[in-house]
Amino acid sequence: DTGVSQNPRHKITKRGQNVTFRCDPISEHNRLYWYRQTLGQGPEFLTYFQNEAQLEKSRLLSDRFSAERPKGSFSTLEIQRTEQGDSAMYLCASSFGDPTQYFGPGTRLTVL
Amino acid sequence: AQTVTQSQPEMSVQEAETVTLSCTYDTSESDYYLFWYKQPPSRQMILVIRQEAYKQQNATENRFSVNFQKAAKSFSLKISDSQLGDAAMYFCASQGGSEKLVFGKGTKLTVNP
Repeated sequence: DTGVSQNPRHKITKRGQNVTFRCDPISEHNRLYWYRQTLGQGPEFLTYFQNEAQLEKSRLLSDRFSAERPKGSFSTLEIQRTEQGDSAMYLCASSFGDPTQYFGPGTRLTVL
Repeated sequence: AQTVTQSQPEMSVQEAETVTLSCTYDTSESDYYLFWYKQPPSRQMILVIRQEAYKQQNATENRFSVNFQKAAKSFSLKISDSQLGDAAMYFCASQGGSEKLVFGKGTKLTVNP
């Protein structure tokens, strides 16, 4: 069991560019979650999938954000037309049949 | 809506001593879970301990234990025999009525040698 992995670990982009992050959950975990964490704050929920179905989205997930999990395995989070306020750590977590969520190392996004 | 409050932005403890981190929460759910997560400087969130609200017995994991006061909606974490490796941000989180975790703002724990 290799744990939750996220790529890239760091991303620097210019305002207005699109970025995409990838999350690979723990094998066999059917639930996958995305959170955003800004400096000095706890993680905030963005969205969650059960298998390939996106079952819950936060109001934080504006129309510039889209997440997919096409085959119920890995997931991608895309941010279009990035803004400086999007700079944050994006965390992915997964779980299976249990409330405990296991987190990946995160992708740190810096928007210049 | 669920809320989680951690009133101690920073705490420090001497190595081998005991420290208690505070957390209060609010929820209208009758069935919920509470968690403490640790986030070391490398920033990967690690589960420390969890408590099911329906269980009256306080959860314990080695040197980590909780004081769960359901009526007061309080969920504190006690770390005994503190070690240098315990230095990290500690987040209290709740889950109930939804799959999402709701986190507090965290407490930065420093362990002094």
